[in-house]
Amino acid sequence: SQTIHQWPATLVQPVGSPLSLECTVEGTSNPNLYWYRQAAGRGLQLLFYSVGIGQISSEVPQNLSASRPQDRQFILSSKKLLLSDSGFYLCAWSERDEQFFGPGTRLTVL
Amino acid sequence: RKEVEQDPGPFNVPEGATVAFNCTYSNSASQSFFWYRQDCRKEPKLLMSVYSSGNEDGRFTAQLNRASQYISLLIRDSKLSDSATYLCVVGDMEYGNKLVFGAGTILRVKS
Repeated sequence: SQTIHQWPATLVQPVGSPLSLECTVEGTSNPNLYWYRQAAGRGLQLLFYSVGIGQISSEVPQNLSASRPQDRQFILSSKKLLLSDSGFYLCAWSERDEQFFGPGTRLTVL
Repeated sequence: RKEVEQDPGPFNVPEGATVAFNCTYSNSASQSFFWYRQDCRKEPKLLMSVYSSGNEDGRFTAQLNRASQYISLLIRDSKLSDSATYLCVVGDMEYGNKLVFGAGTILRVKS
């Protein structure tokens, strides 16, 4: 069966510091991969999605970037975090129309 | 206008009650429809897909009305464990299979 991992689970970072969040999927090949952010008390916002290695589509302008160096690995990065980057970051995968989420990373920028 | 709109609630109901959630979507080209459940500080989990013919899974029934661009979820015989946020989700099946999430409806089931 398929599983999806994210780490770290929680992270506290100062403003201006870099960020790297990792997501890996097991038990499937060539999945679509997604990064979402959920701000406190708000809905999920799609940040990036990828349909294959090296293919990244950005949904909203921001100081974040994403990369897919391997088929089942998706990385979210920032060179300099802002206070507004705080939130719950969720990675998801899909093969057809349903999406399945990882456990998420709770990021606090101070 | 939001792409997917839901009543934020909260819906406070006693155990055993029947509760209905409604959702409307703006993109008439949408092709896939889902209800997800999200527990506090956890990731969303797929509850059920929604089909034009309607579908039922135990105490949960989902309906889709494409003409009105309306989706519903009915929960019968509510349990304490049903307390969560219910997310209405719509997809267009185009490149990337992007989904659009509603902000969610909070359900609190009380004994």
